Amino acid sequence: NAGVTQTPKFQVLKTGQSMTLQCAQDMNHEYMSWYRQDPGMGLRLIHYSVGAGITDQGEVPNGYNVSRSTTEDFPLRLLSAAPSQTSVYFCASSGIGGFNQYFGPGTRLLVL
Amino acid sequence: GESVGLHLPTLSVQEGDNSIINCAYSNSASDYFIWYKQESGKGPQFIIDIRSNMDKRQGQRVTVLLNKTVKHLSLQIAATQPGDSAVYFCAENPRAGNMLTFGGGTRLMVKP
Repeated sequence: NAGVTQTPKFQVLKTGQSMTLQCAQDMNHEYMSWYRQDPGMGLRLIHYSVGAGITDQGEVPNGYNVSRSTTEDFPLRLLSAAPSQTSVYFCASSGIGGFNQYFGPGTRLLVL
Repeated sequence: GESVGLHLPTLSVQEGDNSIINCAYSNSASDYFIWYKQESGKGPQFIIDIRSNMDKRQGQRVTVLLNKTVKHLSLQIAATQPGDSAVYFCAENPRAGNMLTFGGGTRLMVKP
């Protein structure tokens, strides 16, 4: 299994641009989530999904959209990038009843 | 709001010594706790977990202690090695569902 994969690994955007961060898992996990990690800080939950077709907001959802059309994929969309969204973004997944989340390698985003 | 936090942002230990990383939590309803290790440039990796009905759990060279009376969690690493150098996060499951709340992290530095 590849586990949780994320693309791209690194991205530079200009303010106002939009983009989609991709996340996929091959473990047939129901739960998927997106976190952001700012320098020297912990992870903050952006959005999460408890299954295909179901999404919900986390702690810091503003400026981001998600969708979950399949069990495997959970893309994160930045609608209009802002410098405050410069961060490292992690996608994670876990199975039903399994609280331990498996993390992807992260996407480093720089917004100029 | 309630959150998970850590006492020490940086811990420096000599190779071969034991390390203790501490974490305080404030949500008495949390029933599951995890320690993650994050190496530079990588996503968090599961180390060990513990449920609220336990006081202690041991893994390979690691032990997690849970003191529900004072809402304190600790991670003990025996015979610390250079490969243990990383940032360590505690996380709690404060509500129904698989989502986790993360603490701010402690950086462990192992001196040869």
